[in-house]
Amino acid sequence: DADVTQTPRNRITKTGKRIMLECSQTKGHDRMYWYRQDPGLGLRLIYYSFDVKDINKGEISDGYSVSRQAQAKFSLSLESAIPNQTALYFCATSDPNRENTETQYFGPGTRLLVL
Amino acid sequence: GESVGLHLPTLSVQEGDNSIINCAYSNSASDYFIWYKQESGKGPQFIIDIRSNMDKRQGQRVTVLLNKTVKHLSLQIAATQPGDSAVYFCAETGDFGNEKLTFGTGTRLTIIP
Repeated sequence: DADVTQTPRNRITKTGKRIMLECSQTKGHDRMYWYRQDPGLGLRLIYYSFDVKDINKGEISDGYSVSRQAQAKFSLSLESAIPNQTALYFCATSDPNRENTETQYFGPGTRLLVL
Repeated sequence: GESVGLHLPTLSVQEGDNSIINCAYSNSASDYFIWYKQESGKGPQFIIDIRSNMDKRQGQRVTVLLNKTVKHLSLQIAATQPGDSAVYFCAETGDFGNEKLTFGTGTRLTIIP
């Protein structure tokens, strides 16, 4: 969905490096999410934000941090990357109060490889 | 704990035939369900949703059926096309406004030409 963009699309890094994944949206949604996808495990929630002042941990937040710089931007950081953080990362947005649906809209994903 | 799962990890269907993808959920408080399609190299794409006060909802070539008695959800795709080949996820939430979705692991649908 072009309304939700992620950069970079692919990233290779080394163990111990700090990296940041960026997400931007033009949908005007209040809520943004970061997920991790691993084979056989589906999508798991890392962090989510319901507005600029709000940050919440998901089910697998350890080793990650986030920043909601503006309504349209939500970045995910790996402070010290480790190999088991190799995965596909997705950003998503939603706005149930405006759209009367809990549906989340996903970006194209960032493929991260930690060596 | 609560979980959302799928009966089959893979499904192959002849082009033109109908396909049915199943999903079981265990949270009896779930009241909103979504089906997503994920093509290779892309993010999940919304297909269709259904609320717990309904048992059937139809879209273009897709139908979602909800059986709350047995906590079962299915996605029917009619007259399958090669472009339907993808991984399909169900997701659910039971708390409108706090909509943390719980996702199933996915079923890979392959359309055989």
